[in-house]
Amino acid sequence: QQQVKQSPQSLIVQKGGISIINCAYENTAFDYFPWYQQFPGKGPALLIAIRPDVSEKKEGRFTISFNKSAKQFSLHIMDSQPGDSATYFCAASKTSTLTFGKGTMLLVSP
Amino acid sequence: DSGVTQTPKHLITATGQRVTLRCSPRSGDLSVYWYQQSLDQGLQFLIQYYNGEERAKGNILERFSAQQFPDLHSELNLSSLELGDSALYFCASSAQAVDGELFFGEGSRLTVL
Repeated sequence: QQQVKQSPQSLIVQKGGISIINCAYENTAFDYFPWYQQFPGKGPALLIAIRPDVSEKKEGRFTISFNKSAKQFSLHIMDSQPGDSATYFCAASKTSTLTFGKGTMLLVSP
Repeated sequence: DSGVTQTPKHLITATGQRVTLRCSPRSGDLSVYWYQQSLDQGLQFLIQYYNGEERAKGNILERFSAQQFPDLHSELNLSSLELGDSALYFCASSAQAVDGELFFGEGSRLTVL
């Protein structure tokens, strides 16, 4: 049973455009929703995270939007840059055990 | 650099064999997690240790086992290896037992031939 569903599987965005990745979860006990960024040959690294008591969190060009009633959350990357090309994973946590989505491979074309 | 060290980086072995993957967490982190990453399954949580004790178990096969030592490093033992065990195995650490922020190592790539 996949508890966190992520889409799209891959995404191509022009430089300067907005990248949007969506996730949906099933378990209402999840209380922490991070996004991780992974470059080839590296481990995932925390990018930004949100808790369900807020609907939006912004850090620089990265924004998480959270819809508790719909059990959905999304990552928006504004002014996307070629250096943002990576695989992005959403995750949901209950008592620190992270359940990951299957990832979105983002390519930002110059 | 996350501060989490994993060895070996690459490992090639044959079916039926046994291997040990090693992880040194960030200095001061008490929790260690093991994840398996494959193309079709994504990142799958295997097991978590906190200060030497098993704290949570995920989709870890019975052929796999792990432990965390008094110096807080951890080892993941994979035995009776099958072709399907070929994957990237990540170790992550965090400061607390309940803390969503994990710091991942660069992984150990296991190839079973």
